[in-house]
Amino acid sequence: RKEVEQDPGPFNVPEGATVAFNCTYSNSASQSFFWYRQDCRKEPKLLMSVYSSGNEDGRFTAQLNRASQYISLLIRDSKLSDSATYLCVVKPSNTGKLIFGQGTTLQVKP
Amino acid sequence: DTGVSQDPRHKITKRGQNVTFRCDPISEHNRLYWYRQTLGQGPEFLTYFQNEAQLEKSRLLSDRFSAERPKGSFSTLEIQRTEQGDSAMYLCASRSGTGYEQYFGPGTRLTVT
Repeated sequence: RKEVEQDPGPFNVPEGATVAFNCTYSNSASQSFFWYRQDCRKEPKLLMSVYSSGNEDGRFTAQLNRASQYISLLIRDSKLSDSATYLCVVKPSNTGKLIFGQGTTLQVKP
Repeated sequence: DTGVSQDPRHKITKRGQNVTFRCDPISEHNRLYWYRQTLGQGPEFLTYFQNEAQLEKSRLLSDRFSAERPKGSFSTLEIQRTEQGDSAMYLCASRSGTGYEQYFGPGTRLTVT
């Protein structure tokens, strides 16, 4: 079983749609959680951190459920520029490494 | 440009040859990471340095792979006797001692023929 699991998609949605991505992780000792965005043939870039209380950054909302070991990302009012791969990322405690999911591909269409 | 830089950006080599990649982290970032990414997958951790000390190595890092960060600034990743399965994007990232975000470089795309 992969340490971080995501539905690879692709998710094809029209502009203006709301789309949600989910992710599960297996290591209950995980300490920090992130969503990274990766454009085609580019490096990953941090989109947002994920906190247990939930956090919002503009059109993006991230949620963490530690009991279920589940992370989500909600994108409201999708834009064409949101088209990318969204990587769910977990950092276990006592380690410097990040563990990435496979990524979920989003394609926003006009 | 003050971001993470990697050189070369692309490398094509024949099976059995040795290759070396370089990463220059963001200035004053004391933590440096190497990851490998294949098509359709997320990056996989290879190794991690704090200053010049190599603190973690993945099981993915076979004895053909070696990484160094001799002066705690730039790092090199060497692959000896390359195999076709080594074809991937090799990503470097750096982080400050106080921050949590890892900043990634543009990567070196390796093709082993």
